[in-house]
This record gives sequence, structure tokens and C-alpha cells, in this order.
Amino acid sequence: EAQVTQNPRYLITVTGKKLTVTCSQNMNHEYMSWYRQDPGLGLRQIYYSMNVEVTDKGDVPEGYKVSRKEKRNFPLILESPSPNQTSLYFCASSLGTGNILGQYFGPGTRLTVT
Amino acid sequence: KQEVTQIPAALSVPEGENLVLNCSFTDSAIYNLQWFRQDPGKGLTSLLLIQSSQREQTSGRLNASLDKSSGRSTLYIAASQPGDSATYLCAAATDSWGKLQFGAGTQVVVTP
Repeated sequence: EAQVTQNPRYLITVTGKKLTVTCSQNMNHEYMSWYRQDPGLGLRQIYYSMNVEVTDKGDVPEGYKVSRKEKRNFPLILESPSPNQTSLYFCASSLGTGNILGQYFGPGTRLTVT
Repeated sequence: KQEVTQIPAALSVPEGENLVLNCSFTDSAIYNLQWFRQDPGKGLTSLLLIQSSQREQTSGRLNASLDKSSGRSTLYIAASQPGDSATYLCAAATDSWGKLQFGAGTQVVVTP
């Protein structure tokens, strides 16, 4: 089954404790991205990657890091989480150029930073 | 910068009534427009994708139209059912790789 998976689905952590949210897709997609969703603000792109070792900032990259060492994986790293990073996070992937089939989204990771 | 707006923010209709959801965007140079459904606390389910060269797409009771010149897309849901209750999001792809600019969504409640 074609899918995007994220882990963990729920996470409560404390300020400053480094964490990683994993994202994996099994569709051989070139393009992957991370979004955060906040009430009243909608979904905003954090980072994206057009292929292995190619990443770039989205609209709200501050406080986040990403890496793309393999085509299927695109982890989101919070080196020193803060309460304003409490949010619902989504990973997405697509075929890339032309985006003919649109984007597939993971189930989301709800992060709470206390 | 592309801005996507969805009005109204919330909508309540009785079962059986047709739903009309609006999405407007400020820059007509989009690659495609995608409609999603989101259930509370859940992920996004893609409903319809309209390429920039298309005027509409249909899937079952759902029909989405796209008018780039006026910067508008409309999602029609025929004969609404309580199971259609959810938040509906539209997103405009602003480049060929698929960077999406989302609207804030319209929360729909269909009452039995």
C-alpha cells in the first residue's frame, strides 16, 4: 500500500530536549516536505527536499533541521524544542516535477513542548 | 506571495442539501489546486486535484471547478451526508515541485 508514515504519532517533551520525528514513504517519490498546522494559521511549510541531499527552507524553518540521506526518509529534527513549536506536524511526498498526482500526506505527529 | 483564502470558516447544513465551498487565491500562476478533507485530529485525505489546464474534476458526489483568471476554485458536494462533516482545505501548488500554499479551511457540519 502506498503510504507516508510518521513516528511518533504523539509526543510530549520538555523545553530543550532534542527530538526527531521520522518520515518515510514507499512510493519512490523525489519530493518530500514538512508542514506544521496551527489553529487559525492553517498549514505552513517548514522544509522541503527535491531529492537526496537537496533540501531548502520553507516558510517557517526557524528552530528546525532536516536531512535527506535516503530517498525514502526525511526526518525532522528539533535541536532545542520550545513551547511555540507545540503543533501538529505533517510530512508529505509527491512525484516531483509536474506534480501530476498531487501530494500524499502522513497521518500527522502531535507534538507538545512543555 | 501566494495567499489562499477560504470563506466561510464554518458552515452547517441539513442532510441532503448541496454543499458549496469556496477557495480564492491571489496569484493565478498556479500549477494545480488540490482539495483535501481533514477529520478532527487526523491527517489529510486528498479529494480532488485540478491541473492548471483543467476547468473541473469530478469524483462521485464531489465536483471541483477552477477559474484561474478570477483566482477561484469551488468544491461542490452533492446531497450531503452526516459523514461529510469534516474540515475541507484547498491548497494551491506554487511551483512544479508541488510547494503548497494552504487555505485555513472550512469546517463543515452536516446535521441529520
